[in-house]
Amino acid sequence: AQSVTQLDSHVSVSEGTPVLLRCNYSSSYSPSLFWYVQHPNKGLQLLLKYTSAATLVKGINGFEAEFKKSETSFHLTKPSAHMSDAAEYFCVVSDPIENTGFQKLVFGTGTRLLVSP
Amino acid sequence: AAGVIQSPRHLIKEKRETATLKCYPIPRHDTVYWYQQGPGQDPQFLISFYEKMQSDKGSIPDRFSAQQFSDYHSELNMSSLELGDSALYFCASSLGRAELFFGSGTQLSVL
Repeated sequence: AQSVTQLDSHVSVSEGTPVLLRCNYSSSYSPSLFWYVQHPNKGLQLLLKYTSAATLVKGINGFEAEFKKSETSFHLTKPSAHMSDAAEYFCVVSDPIENTGFQKLVFGTGTRLLVSP
Repeated sequence: AAGVIQSPRHLIKEKRETATLKCYPIPRHDTVYWYQQGPGQDPQFLISFYEKMQSDKGSIPDRFSAQQFSDYHSELNMSSLELGDSALYFCASSLGRAELFFGSGTQLSVL
């Protein structure tokens, strides 16, 4: 089964500084990976996805992530944080169900991004 | 663009009562998923349906059941509610094994 580890439960940055949210995964084959963002009392919004195409994936709101197979990592970055980026971020791996065409998502434990003025 | 619709947005129940949560997937999506997210927790997979048949089952209690109907909407039925069932319940839909799109969730409070 797939698994994903988010290395930081909280990350604090100042507005205008770079953001780095770390994610490592374990997989027996090439996985599909996602980053979702959740603002307080809101649903989960897809930021970006990796599905075995380009290793550098660009998402919404200026976020991007790089898939590094050798490091089994899929870290999320943004050059310049904005106050509105403050939210919970989940790294997610798609876990195919054996002998079916189905999947389920396995979530990391989340990283709370705090942005100060 | 149409999104995943969940109802109700908020639900307050007392212990031992029942609750029914509804989910309307994005049109033409063939798979529906239910997740439970406790306070400060990551979402936990409950159950999924593909073309109206259960495709996978996660940590769903026996007190809960779910089904997907002919119009592809899904309902999560929860009986004998316990305080620990208080959580945000998300529905998501996808087309095959593509990315999941989530609804805004139903906040269930059990008193």
